[in-house]
Amino acid sequence: QVQLVASGGGVVQPGKSLTITCSVSGFFFGSYAMHWVRQSPGKGLEWLAAVSNDNLDRESTASVKGRFTISRDNYRNTVSLYMDNLRGEDTAVYYCVRSHAPFIDRSQFDFWGQGTLVTVSS
Amino acid sequence: DIQMTQSPSSLSASVGDRVTITCRSSQSVHTFLNWYHQRPGKAPNIMISTTSILMTGIPSRFSGSGSGTQFTLTISGLQPEDSGVYFCQQSLSMPYTFGQGTSVEIK
Repeated sequence: QVQLVASGGGVVQPGKSLTITCSVSGFFFGSYAMHWVRQSPGKGLEWLAAVSNDNLDRESTASVKGRFTISRDNYRNTVSLYMDNLRGEDTAVYYCVRSHAPFIDRSQFDFWGQGTLVTVSS
Repeated sequence: DIQMTQSPSSLSASVGDRVTITCRSSQSVHTFLNWYHQRPGKAPNIMISTTSILMTGIPSRFSGSGSGTQFTLTISGLQPEDSGVYFCQQSLSMPYTFGQGTSVEIK
């Protein structure tokens, strides 16, 4: 069955960086675009970034552009989110999410991982 | 960015009731509108895509309709396992955006 397992969350100080990674199984990873979505009590669900199946197309939301970078490794079946210059408002549960298609446009989020909690605090 | 607004924010209904949740977008998303259900402590789960397409395994008591800027999710015959939070999401354009959620409680 489809599984997306995120790891790497934890407590990090403001201004520091962190990389979270999602390992997937149960489907052909190279056929699907992948996304990161976060959820915090104050801001609900927020889409962060997407990468196409072939790693050629990437996009991110304005609030994290220049700070967060999405990448994938189609050999290791992983997708990662590098987060730099973290702020308190980045505190959230971060979900790794599979798109229904290989491209990042018109994405439906058809499988979600269990989420990893990132807490930005001194 | 396209803003998504759901109403009501919360509701309480009895088993067997018909429940309707509305989602409005700040500009037309045509039919690129999806619905998700989230139980406490769990990740969201897609239920309906492209306004009205029921995903595999989702009971037929769920239905979706609408187009343009106004959409509805209807539960015809509420069941105890339907409690949780429902979110709409527009997939017309990035940044993809979600409604703030509607919490459904079973009386």
